[in-house]
Amino acid sequence: EVQLVESGGTLVQPGASLRLSCAASGSTFSDYWMTWLRQAPGKGLEWVANIKEDGSHINYVDSVKGRFTIFRDNARKSLYLDMNSLRDEDTAVYYCARDTSPYCNSTTCYDALDIWGRGTLVTVSS
Amino acid sequence: AIQMTQSPSSLSASVGDRVSITCRASQAIRNELGWYQQKPGQAPKLLIYAATYLQSGVPSRFRGSGSGTYFTLTISGLQPEDFATYYCLQDFNYPRTFGRGTKVEVK
Repeated sequence: EVQLVESGGTLVQPGASLRLSCAASGSTFSDYWMTWLRQAPGKGLEWVANIKEDGSHINYVDSVKGRFTIFRDNARKSLYLDMNSLRDEDTAVYYCARDTSPYCNSTTCYDALDIWGRGTLVTVSS
Repeated sequence: AIQMTQSPSSLSASVGDRVSITCRASQAIRNELGWYQQKPGQAPKLLIYAATYLQSGVPSRFRGSGSGTYFTLTISGLQPEDFATYYCLQDFNYPRTFGRGTKVEVK
């Protein structure tokens, strides 16, 4: 069974840096895009970034561009999120998720986040 | 970024009820939309992809419909384990964007 386990969340001060990790087991990690998402306390879900199977394509939400870096190590079956210049509003549970394409027609492959980790809490506060 | 307007923000229902949740996209997204269920303290779970396709293992009482800008998640015959928060997510373009969620509560 495929599992994703996030780690690295902790309490940090504004302006600090932090690296989150997501370890995958039970599947061919290198066959899938991977995604980071977050959820502020008591709030909804926010998509943060994703990365192609080989790392050649990356996308970010505007609010983290220039501050966060997503990358992966397929040999270690791990996904990472480097977070710099952290702000109070970055406080959230951070989830990693597997980004799959369960259905394709002649023109489009449809994405879905089918496997999620349990999340790791990042608290930014002075 | 595409805005996903989800409604209602909450609803109260009883076991056995039929409930519907809608998401409206600020521009046409074909049928590139998924629905996710989240229970307190848990990670979200994929229910529906490509607007209408049921994820493996998800009960058939969940049904997705719609295309373009208007989408609906319908739960027919609400079960106790269905009380949760539901989100839509567009995967038409980047950044991906979620609706603000609908909390389904016990009446």
